Amino acid sequence: SQQGEEDPQALSIQEGENATMNCSYKTSINNLQWYRQNSGRGLVHLILIRSNEREKHSGRLRVTLDTSKKSSSLLITASRAADTASYFCATDTGSARQLTFGSGTQLTVLP
Amino acid sequence: KAGVTQTPRYLIKTRGQQVTLSCSPISGHRSVSWYQQTPGQGLQFLFEYFSETQRNKGNFPGRFSGRQFSNSRSEMNVSTLELGDSALYLCASSPERGTDTQYFGPGTRLTVL
Repeated sequence: SQQGEEDPQALSIQEGENATMNCSYKTSINNLQWYRQNSGRGLVHLILIRSNEREKHSGRLRVTLDTSKKSSSLLITASRAADTASYFCATDTGSARQLTFGSGTQLTVLP
Repeated sequence: KAGVTQTPRYLIKTRGQQVTLSCSPISGHRSVSWYQQTPGQGLQFLFEYFSETQRNKGNFPGRFSGRQFSNSRSEMNVSTLELGDSALYLCASSPERGTDTQYFGPGTRLTVL
């Protein structure tokens, strides 16, 4: 079963715009991670945020975590066509090697 | 370092057959996890191996099994294949310490006819 939901399910924006995706989960977590997947290929790790952190940055990515609301958001700034992919949040509640994934957001960046 | 490799990349089987998928982790990584991805159920955790021992197991029937060898390479086996087993099977590896990040392979696309 999936830990939570992501919204929107699909997002279409113009190159240069910012993209925001949200993830909600159901149980207390240790870590929350974001992954990207291109066209049914393997997952690429983007960023990890621990339960005691509230915000984290990596390049054009900004992740926030609100454990009281059991939610996280991923912001991609100045998007590029190459950012077109599916984005998944994943949580772990004990073992970081046993991830529970959200349903994913399909992001399309139009040139 | 070379990334996680999975073989074969594509596989077609018929119902009732069995299949074995292979995963070679990143050099030095001793933990290997397996996930199943389907359009209906999304990404689901199958199991994790560390030092040749299954450390965690997801909610899958006993037809799904795995093992890990002394060189950390892992295999998963699905017996008595069903149509619903058609999926992308992803393997991920991680070191035991220093990071909680998992590094995924390209996956094996299994089609059951």
